[in-house]
Formats: sequence, structure tokens, C-alpha cells
Amino acid sequence: ELKVEQNPLFLSMQEGKNYTIYCNYSTTSDRLYWYRQDPGKSLESLFVLLSNGAVKQEGRLMASLDTKARLSTLHITAAVHDLSATYFCAVNSNSGYALNFGKGTSLLVTP
Amino acid sequence: DADVTQTPRNRITKTGKRIMLECSQTKGHDRMYWYRQDPGLGLRLIYYSFDVKDINKGEISDGYSVSRQAQAKFSLSLESAIPNQTALYFCATSDLRERGKDTEAFFGQGTRLTVV
Repeated sequence: ELKVEQNPLFLSMQEGKNYTIYCNYSTTSDRLYWYRQDPGKSLESLFVLLSNGAVKQEGRLMASLDTKARLSTLHITAAVHDLSATYFCAVNSNSGYALNFGKGTSLLVTP
Repeated sequence: DADVTQTPRNRITKTGKRIMLECSQTKGHDRMYWYRQDPGLGLRLIYYSFDVKDINKGEISDGYSVSRQAQAKFSLSLESAIPNQTALYFCATSDLRERGKDTEAFFGQGTRLTVV
């Protein structure tokens, strides 16, 4: 069974600070996804990481993938309030393309 | 119009009732999924379908059934609803592409179901 673990699950950070969210998964998978969810809303795709060493950046967010360590990170640089949301990582199961999600990291950026 | 549409968006139903949640998509994707979201538990896969003739159980399929009526339509049924099925339900689609190309999932807006 593929397990996906995120940490931390809750994160309160000040504007302007940097922080990293971690996503570990338990079995071999060749792709990893990061999603953002605002309260009461649907999930919005942020990044698709398709190979070992992949790094993608969008604004203040940067995601990376280490398939050997089965680890992905989502780094937040100089946080702003608009980044407050819940962030999910998701990994394909080996038997197909159904996504297995972590429990999410609820991020609150405060002044 | 949204590419992945779920109906209804909100529903309150009584214990023991049968209820169907519907999902339709205009993305032309073969693969469709139903997830359930509960606070603190992330999204858990209920059922998925890789084409009209292919239906697979996810990790929490007990108490649910699905029907893939067409490539664009995938419905989720609760045969006899119970209160612990109160949750936010998401339908999603994805596209199988050649290795190395994106296969991200696209989500509907969600259906908030309350079983009383």
C-alpha cells in the first residue's frame, strides 16, 4: 500500500519568512504532484514533478523531487498572506494512475 | 463553464436514503476518480475508472458504488447513507499520456454531503 506523509500538518509563519514542507512516500513512483486548496474550494494544480531531480518554481513556491529518497519538498520564500491555504502532495500508485494524497499542510501566513 | 462539473454542490439527506452524486467532464479524458475529503485526513480514493468498461475500487469503497455511463460521466452512489459518510466529495479526471508528459488530475468543485 502506497503511503504519503506530509509534514508539518499545520504551519503558521510570519510574512517574509522562508519555510519548507516535506512529502515522503513509501514505494517507488515516477511522478509527484503538488496541489493547493483554499477553504471550501477545489484543488488547484501547482506542480507536476516527473523525474528524479526535477525542480519547478512558480513565484514564491519551489518544488523538488528526489525519487531515490522518495521525498519531495515545497519551499516557500518570503511568504505573503495570499499563500495561506492547504497544500497537498500526491503520488501515483504503482498499479496505475490513481493519485494517493497526503493529509495536507494547512499554512497560515500572518503579518 | 467548468471542465469537470459535479452535481449537486450541496446535499443534505437522511440516514438510510439512497443518493447519487454526478460528475461530468468536457476534457475528453478517459480516467475519472471519486475522492472523499474529511478534515485532517486528506483525500481518500473511493473508486476510479480508466475507461467505460473499467471500474476499480479505491481504499474506501465500502458503502459506495459507481457507474460509468459514458466517457464523460461518472456517478457515485450511496446505497444507504449513514452519518459517517458526511464529507466533501470530489470528482477528478486525468489523461494517460506518453511517459514524461503531464498526467495531472483536474478536480470538480466538490459536493458537500451531509447525512443526518
